[in-house]
Amino acid sequence: NAGVTQTPKFQVLKTGQSMTLQCAQDMNHEYMSWYRQDPGMGLRLIHYSVGAGITDQGEVPNGYNVSRSTTEDFPLRLLSAAPSQTSVYFCASSYTQGRAEAFFGQGTRLTVV
Amino acid sequence: DAKTTQPNSMESNEEEPVHLPCNHSTISGTDYIHWYRQLPSQGPEYVIHGLTSNVNNRMASLVIAEDRKSSTLILHRATLRDAAVYYCILRHYYSGNTPLVFGKGTRLSVIA
Repeated sequence: NAGVTQTPKFQVLKTGQSMTLQCAQDMNHEYMSWYRQDPGMGLRLIHYSVGAGITDQGEVPNGYNVSRSTTEDFPLRLLSAAPSQTSVYFCASSYTQGRAEAFFGQGTRLTVV
Repeated sequence: DAKTTQPNSMESNEEEPVHLPCNHSTISGTDYIHWYRQLPSQGPEYVIHGLTSNVNNRMASLVIAEDRKSSTLILHRATLRDAAVYYCILRHYYSGNTPLVFGKGTRLSVIA
C-alpha cells in the first residue's frame, strides 16, 4: 500500500512557467484535497474533490486549476507560476465519512524564481 | 463552518504528560473531533478522533467535555519526537461537501 504519493518532491520554476503537481492514492478514497503551507504558517486549502468529476474551491484557489477524472488521481496545475506561489504543497485523501482518517503525502517543495 | 480555538504554543518537559486544549463552542451534534499533528518537514499525520466518548489509542487519549464544546488531547509521556504542531479539527458526520480545514494549531515544544 503506497498511500498518498506526490511527485515531484522538489521543483524550481521560472515566473510564468506552468506545471502540474501530481497526487495519487491507492486507497479508493472519495475525498482528495490540496493545501499549501508557507514558511512558519498553517495549511491553507486550495481545492478539494469529493469524487471523480467533482471539484470545488478552497480558501486560496486563485492561480491553480484541478480536475478529477479518476478516483486515484488529483493533479494540481499552476497556470502561470508567480513567486508568491513558492510554498510546500500537500495532498490529502480520505473517505468522506466524518470519522474517516485523512492521509497526507510527503509534500512538494516548489520555488518560483 | 464550526471553528476551533487552540493556544499558539505550549511547552513540556520530556517524559511528562501534556494536555493540549481545544475549544469548539459552535460544534454541532454531528461533528467529529479530529486531531492531527505535523512533525518538522513532514506532512500532517492523524492522531485520534472522537464523537462523544473519550478515546484512547497507542499515540494519545482524547477527552471530550460533556457538552462537547471543548476537548483535550493528552500525550501521556512526551518525548522529543512529539515536538510538532497539533491541529484540532471538526469534521461533519458526512464530509462529502465539507473540506478538511486546518487552523493555526498549537506548536508543542518538548524540553529534554
